[in-house]
Amino acid sequence: EDQVTQSPEALRLQEGESSSLNCSYTVSGLRGLFWYRQDPGKGPEFLFTLYSAGEEKEKERLKATLTKKESFLHITAPKPEDSATYLCAVQATGANSKLTFGKGITLSVRP
Amino acid sequence: NAGVTQTPKFQVLKTGQSMTLQCAQDMNHEYMSWYRQDPGMGLRLIHYSVGAGITDQGEVPNGYNVSRSTTEDFPLRLLSAAPSQTSVYFCASSYFGRLNEQFFGPGTRLTVL
Repeated sequence: EDQVTQSPEALRLQEGESSSLNCSYTVSGLRGLFWYRQDPGKGPEFLFTLYSAGEEKEKERLKATLTKKESFLHITAPKPEDSATYLCAVQATGANSKLTFGKGITLSVRP
Repeated sequence: NAGVTQTPKFQVLKTGQSMTLQCAQDMNHEYMSWYRQDPGMGLRLIHYSVGAGITDQGEVPNGYNVSRSTTEDFPLRLLSAAPSQTSVYFCASSYFGRLNEQFFGPGTRLTVL
């Protein structure tokens, strides 16, 4: 059974204090790993797709990386507007129609 | 483009009542899905469809029915609501084969008393 574990559950940072969010996964074969951002009261919004170990993607203050067992979402010099819940999901090879989501990490950035 | 729209935004039901959550998309996406999101549980797939006339069960399908008569619409029916179905429901759509880039609707917050 595919599993996704995200840690920590919640993270509070001071503005400008860089940190990383972790996503550990167990799948029989990885087709892709995805990061989403979810603001309170809204649906998730797609951020990144990673397909193979060693791959990195960047967008503004966010950088996602992938190894064979986990992914990190690095946040450099965060701002209060980066406060949100970050979701990680995996798609297994052969699972053409399903994603498995983690429980999410709630990030709060204080000014 | 309106993207993915869901109605209603909020709903309160009594145990045993039935209702339909509406979902529509205007992006001509083949794939549509319904998720529920509960505190501490993450997003869980209820049902999905890979095209008009084709639906299949996800992780937590019991108590829910779906149909897909058109590409645009994918309603979710609760046959006999139970308190365990209190949740936030999200509809999503994407091109088939691009499940990573799913577009999510704003959600429906359902309370079953």
